[in-house]
Amino acid sequence: EVQLLESGGGLVQPGGSLRLSCAASGFTFSRYALTWVRQAPGKGLEWVSGISGSGGSTYYADSVKGRFSISRDNSKNTVYLQINSLRAADTAVYYCAKCLSTVTPCLNFDYWGQGTLVTVSS
Amino acid sequence: QSVLTQPPSASGTPGQRVTISCSGSSSNIGSNYVYWYQQLPGTAPKLLIYRNDQRPSGVPDRFSGSKSGTSASLAISGLRSEDEADYYCTTWDDSLSGGVFGGGTKLTVL
Repeated sequence: EVQLLESGGGLVQPGGSLRLSCAASGFTFSRYALTWVRQAPGKGLEWVSGISGSGGSTYYADSVKGRFSISRDNSKNTVYLQINSLRAADTAVYYCAKCLSTVTPCLNFDYWGQGTLVTVSS
Repeated sequence: QSVLTQPPSASGTPGQRVTISCSGSSSNIGSNYVYWYQQLPGTAPKLLIYRNDQRPSGVPDRFSGSKSGTSASLAISGLRSEDEADYYCTTWDDSLSGGVFGGGTKLTVL
């Protein structure tokens, strides 16, 4: 059974940093691209960042470019999102999602985690 | 302001057919596949349509997708109460080199 378990969210002050993790199981981790999608409270979905199966290709939304960094450790079946210089607008539930196919980049996510809440507030 | 434009709301009665539109541009919908997601309250999104008009296994054939030019549509036929949810379109944007979502459409089953 495929599982994605996010962690690392919490309350952080503006300008602060967090590292989100997404631990995966139930599939050949290194074959699939993974993506972070966020959803601000009461708002719609926003694509944030994606990474290829090998980790050699990464993609970022303009709103986070230069502040967020995506990476993965295929030996630990985990993808990370380092988020720096946090702003109130970054407050959201951050979801980790697995691509249905091995093609990169992808937007067809067949499995999602339960999400981890990041709250940016003083 | 979302790159892809969806109506904020839609509604229908049980058994009806409802269509949700998604409008973009040549750099996104016009040159890439469109995907549709359903999000029930308090849950993660679920893939409904991929590559414009393909359904993943397990998605009822009441759901169908289409694309023409720089617009796409999701149609739901035989509307049921459990279809009440938020629906999102998404695609790749070549100018942004990133994914983009529509603002979402809240479907109400009357």
